[in-house]
Amino acid sequence: SQQGEEDPQALSIQEGENATMNCSYKTSINNLQWYRQNSGRGLVHLILIRSNEREKHSGRLRVTLDTSKKSSSLLITASRAADTASYFCATVTQGGSEKLVFGKGTKLTVNP
Amino acid sequence: DSGVTQTPKHLITATGQRVTLRCSPRSGDLSVYWYQQSLDQGLQFLIQYYNGEERAKGNILERFSAQQFPDLHSELNLSSLELGDSALYFCASSARDYNQETQYFGPGTRLLVL
Repeated sequence: SQQGEEDPQALSIQEGENATMNCSYKTSINNLQWYRQNSGRGLVHLILIRSNEREKHSGRLRVTLDTSKKSSSLLITASRAADTASYFCATVTQGGSEKLVFGKGTKLTVNP
Repeated sequence: DSGVTQTPKHLITATGQRVTLRCSPRSGDLSVYWYQQSLDQGLQFLIQYYNGEERAKGNILERFSAQQFPDLHSELNLSSLELGDSALYFCASSARDYNQETQYFGPGTRLLVL
C-alpha cells in the first residue's frame, strides 16, 4: 500500500524555473526520503530528512517537512533539462522496520 | 553508480517458469531490501534481510522467496510466474539495520513474463 502521495502527478516547466513537488503521508515517520528515477532506471537517493528536522538543503534541492500536516515538499531551483525524471518520496515508519514506503511519484519534465 | 549490482539486467521468460534474481550489496552493507516496481502497483517493498536473517516482510507473494548468503549477496526467487509478475525488481542495501539509514538502489532487473 502507498504511504506517500505526491502532488502533482506530472509537472512540465522551462529550464531555469523552479519545480516544487509535494508529498503527503499517513502515519508517523522516522524519516522521509526523496529519490529520483530516470526513465526505467534505478533510483538515486537525493536527500533524507528526519522527523525532528524541518528543512534541509543539498545543492539546488530544498526539502521541508511538516510533521503536523504529515507533508513534505521538494524544491528544485534553477532547473535543468537533466533534472527531467520521476521523483518519489518514501517514508520510514516510526516503530516499524527500515522498509521504505513509496508514493506514486511526480513526473517532472524540464524543457530546454 | 550506487555500488549495488544486480544480475541479470533483463529477463524474458514464460508463464509457469521459475527465475532467480541476484543482488550484491555495497561493500560493508549488511541490509538488503527487495522492491518491485510495476505500472499499476508502483514501488512495493517485498522483503528485507539483515546479515543473513529475514528482518521484515512486505507484499511478497508466497510464490516468491529470498535469501541472503554468508557473503551478504542476496537472491530473489520467483516461481510459477504469471503475466502480472512482469515488473522491475530492485535491490537496495544499507549499512546497518537502523532507522535512519539511506538505502542505495541497484539498477534493477527488468522481468518480462510472456
